[in-house]
Amino acid sequence: QKEVEQNSGPLSVPEGAIASLNCTYSDRGSQSFFWYRQYSGKSPELIMFIYSNGDKEDGRFTAQLNKASQYVSLLIRDSQPSDSATYLCAVKGSGGFKTIFGAGTRLFVKA
Amino acid sequence: EAQVTQNPRYLITVTGKKLTVTCSQNMNHEYMSWYRQDPGLGLRQIYYSMNVEVTDKGDVPEGYKVSRKEKRNFPLILESPSPNQTSLYFCASSFHGQYPGELFFGEGSRLTVL
Repeated sequence: QKEVEQNSGPLSVPEGAIASLNCTYSDRGSQSFFWYRQYSGKSPELIMFIYSNGDKEDGRFTAQLNKASQYVSLLIRDSQPSDSATYLCAVKGSGGFKTIFGAGTRLFVKA
Repeated sequence: EAQVTQNPRYLITVTGKKLTVTCSQNMNHEYMSWYRQDPGLGLRQIYYSMNVEVTDKGDVPEGYKVSRKEKRNFPLILESPSPNQTSLYFCASSFHGQYPGELFFGEGSRLTVL
């Protein structure tokens, strides 16, 4: 079992729709959870982080964390073509030293 | 401007020719790390460093060396590159021991080993 798993996609949504990205992790002691966005050929950039159970909203983005289910998700409301990218789920493990990444989900937002 | 700087950005080399990819950060971060990114495999950690003179292996350290003699610099050394080390490499840094500890990435170094 991979430490951080994501559906590789591609996920295709129409402009204005809600995009839902999911991630599961194996280390129950994990402390912090991140979503990074990566455009093709570019470096990852942080969108959101979350470390408490529940929802965290920032503009059009909402991160959701359920530690009991070892599940993290990212919702993108009112999706725009500029949101088309690969979204990386990352988990900081129980030791606090390593950040493990999922393989990423490719999102396409159709205009 | 806060940044992580990697050099070179692009490199084509031949099997066995030693090379070094430099990484420098100006944010006074304790933690630095190297990742490689390959299609379908995501970002895999090569080595990381929690502070000067403190380094440890990540998930895919074979064929790589690192050193951390100064806080700001964390070079990645390929003593004898092989074609399976052809990849996109990212250096990243963060504060250690502070929440949330998000990573700041360099622009990436695309390496091709022939």
